[in-house]
Amino acid sequence: DGGITQSPKYLFRKEGQNVTLSCEQNLNHDAMYWYRQDPGQGLRLIYYSQIVNDFQKGDIAEGYSVSREKKESFPLTVTSAQKNPTAFYLCASSIVGATDTQYFGPGTRLTVL
Amino acid sequence: SQQGEEDPQALSIQEGENATMNCSYKTSINNLQWYRQNSGRGLVHLILIRSNEREKHSGRLRVTLDTSKKSSSLLITASRAADTASYFCATSSGGSYIPTFGRGTSLIVHP
Repeated sequence: DGGITQSPKYLFRKEGQNVTLSCEQNLNHDAMYWYRQDPGQGLRLIYYSQIVNDFQKGDIAEGYSVSREKKESFPLTVTSAQKNPTAFYLCASSIVGATDTQYFGPGTRLTVL
Repeated sequence: SQQGEEDPQALSIQEGENATMNCSYKTSINNLQWYRQNSGRGLVHLILIRSNEREKHSGRLRVTLDTSKKSSSLLITASRAADTASYFCATSSGGSYIPTFGRGTSLIVHP
């Protein structure tokens, strides 16, 4: 059963804490992405990675960090430096060099208490 | 920055009617995609149209692209309650393979 999984589905964090969102894919895709979605804002790109051990900042990288130690995994850490972290976070993957079609995970809703 | 902007922001129709939503963009594109998102879920790719194509069909979906007007439309024919979702256009430009998403159109289909 191929696809992208994200965990957890819901995450609650106290102010000042770092939290890590998991994203795993078994589609053998080279590229992976993290997006943030707020009501009425559409999707905004946080980080992306084309290859293992390499990643690039997107439009709103401040307060976030990522790693890409394995092709199938691209975890996102929301640090305490992110001032307004409550949002819906989406992970996606794609084949580089074919089409630009992205395949999305089910998302993680993060709420800061 | 967001390239595509969907219109209308919200659309409410009765089951069986057609739903049309539009996407306008600012700069030349390589291709344009439409995605669907059910509430609280991830996005699902619907259809991709390349800049040299004018129309594509997939089941009850019809997408048109007018590069002279920098706009695209998504038509869902004979809509069903299960079509209730948000629909996003995403454009890719220049050498970038990363699509830029609009804010979406929220479609409600009443049974």
